[in-house]
Amino acid sequence: GQNIDQPTEMTATEGAIVQINCTYQTSGFNGLFWYQQHAGEAPTFLSYNVLDGLEEKGRFSSFLSRSKGYSYLLLKELQMKDSASYLCAVRDGDYKLSFGAGTTVTVRA
Amino acid sequence: IAGITQAPTSQILAAGRRMTLRCTQDMRHNAMYWYRQDLGLGLRLIHYSNTAGTTGKGEVPDGYSVSRANTDDFPLTLASAVPSQTSVYFCASSEQGGTTDTQYFGPGTRLTVL
Repeated sequence: GQNIDQPTEMTATEGAIVQINCTYQTSGFNGLFWYQQHAGEAPTFLSYNVLDGLEEKGRFSSFLSRSKGYSYLLLKELQMKDSASYLCAVRDGDYKLSFGAGTTVTVRA
Repeated sequence: IAGITQAPTSQILAAGRRMTLRCTQDMRHNAMYWYRQDLGLGLRLIHYSNTAGTTGKGEVPDGYSVSRANTDDFPLTLASAVPSQTSVYFCASSEQGGTTDTQYFGPGTRLTVL
């Protein structure tokens, strides 16, 4: 099976920066995804990394180190609307997507 | 364009009853997926279909069946529901299966089995 770990909860202040870490052990690797999921809603795609390094997309950035089995999602200039769960998902050697349990981020005023 | 629609939005079901969750996409995606999401466990793949006419088993297929008669529809059937199938069910699709294509999710069905 696959093993994907991320913290359960994080709290930060509006305007601050939060980094959500994700470590994984999978059978093969074909990319890592980050999804955002607001309570009671569907997951929505945020970012995709398949090569080592940083991918920046506005206030959100995602980093990947394949040799360390590690990724992080960086949320900058936090806004109240960023309060949500953030799901780390890894595509394995068979192209199946396995998800971590998610990190609930709470943004305080 | 609606993307992916699921029905019903929520359902309460007696144990032992048969139930079909519907999923339709209008993006002409070849691949479709069914996941269940339970607190503390994340999304787990139940069944998938890489193209119309083919299906495959995911991580937790027992107690569920699927069919893929055409590109747009991918229904999930619980033949005889049990309380452990209480969950939120998400349908997803991607352009191709067996690739790195991004999966897009429907709004979900909240199912309670009593």
